[in-house]
Amino acid sequence: GENVEQHPSTLSVQEGDSAVIKCTYSDSASNYFPWYKQELGKRPQLIIDIRSNVGEKKDQRIAVTLNKTAKHFSLHITETQPEDSAVYFCAASISSGSARQLTFGSGTQLTVLP
Amino acid sequence: DTAVSQTPKYLVTQMGNDKSIKCEQNLGHDTMYWYKQDSKKFLKIMFSYNNKELIINETVPNRFSPKSPDKAHLNLHINSLELGDSAVYFCASSRTHRGSEAFFGQGTRLTVV
Repeated sequence: GENVEQHPSTLSVQEGDSAVIKCTYSDSASNYFPWYKQELGKRPQLIIDIRSNVGEKKDQRIAVTLNKTAKHFSLHITETQPEDSAVYFCAASISSGSARQLTFGSGTQLTVLP
Repeated sequence: DTAVSQTPKYLVTQMGNDKSIKCEQNLGHDTMYWYKQDSKKFLKIMFSYNNKELIINETVPNRFSPKSPDKAHLNLHINSLELGDSAVYFCASSRTHRGSEAFFGQGTRLTVV
């Protein structure tokens, strides 16, 4: 079936370094790609999203890139801080009958070391 | 104001029992979802309702029965609970069913003993 693959599953970086998380998707008709951050014991919350009509989007220290041809997209966090430590999920809107559902990647546990 | 609220936050129950989780959204969204997050943190969609109608029903045991009395509410009833049902269940809503931001509730941690 349609799925979203995410790598790496765990990522440790030193404070101030950059972190990159990559995802691939299989449904070529997917048109919406959000990224969610889930802190321990909390709900997933949207941090940035991108639609298929753009290739890159940036919001302060966070950026997302999308390569529709290769069907992959990436999250870039620069100047990481300890509060960036969380599980990050990519997602893609996958066709399901007449609807589109957000299908999530398996998550990346990011740890920012002080 | 809580946008998507679900109750209870914690639920501990014995095998074989029947339990319900309630969810309400005040965002005026048309679409609501139930997701299951297992111990490995994997978020898997279970059901999706659009304007009270079921539109997505993933491979979920029929012991799980969603009910949407109106588009602001989506409840989840689980019969004959099993150990493997232990997980965090998240309700979510989005503006449309065509792929838009999902807003999550705080989650219900279900523990079956």
